[in-house]
Amino acid sequence: QVQLQESGPGLVKPSETLSLTCTVSGGSISPYYWSWVRQPPGKGLEWIGYIYYSGNTNYNPSLRSRLFLSVDTSKNQFSLSLTSVTAADTAVYYCARLSSSSPNYYYYIGVWGKGTSVTVSS
Amino acid sequence: DIVVTQSPLSLPVTPGEPASISCRSSESLVHINGNNYLDWYLQKPGQSPQVLIYMGSNRASGVPDRFSGSGSGTDFTLKISRVEAEDVGIYYCMQTRQSRTFGQGTKVEIK
Repeated sequence: QVQLQESGPGLVKPSETLSLTCTVSGGSISPYYWSWVRQPPGKGLEWIGYIYYSGNTNYNPSLRSRLFLSVDTSKNQFSLSLTSVTAADTAVYYCARLSSSSPNYYYYIGVWGKGTSVTVSS
Repeated sequence: DIVVTQSPLSLPVTPGEPASISCRSSESLVHINGNNYLDWYLQKPGQSPQVLIYMGSNRASGVPDRFSGSGSGTDFTLKISRVEAEDVGIYYCMQTRQSRTFGQGTKVEIK
């Protein structure tokens, strides 16, 4: 059974870059879509974006100018990079795998990591 | 941008009784293929979210049949036929018609 594990710094300074990696175990990173979702403390979920194993991406328009998603198939990992962070980027960050329904090829978030907490503070 | 609004935001429930949550979208979520692009997720206390319903009314694998999704266009409903204690948590709808947007969440708790 596929499992996802987020990793990265728990504390990032304002204006710096937040970088997280999600390691996929128990399965291959191909041929799937991989996603990031975040949840500010005490608040709801916010979709960040997704990346296909081949590298094609789809970003939340509100984050597009600061966001970069990448995938490393050799390491079975995918990553998130968010630049110029502020306190508003403080959240639990979840990595996830999109599952597809057949025959419609509709994609929903089928597998979630446990999440990693990131605080933006000086 | 498509805005998704859930109601109520808080829902006290009695075990064994039915419950329902509404999700309304600012634009139609019907895709050109005729399917509704809306999912339901449950985040139990201290856990990551989990999918319940996808494409409006399709129950995900392993989800008890007391959960059902219905609706079309801009109005959708998640129903629990008989609430169990393990159903407490925050329920989110998410539109996938245009980018992806979550609703604000509905907190379900036992009375």
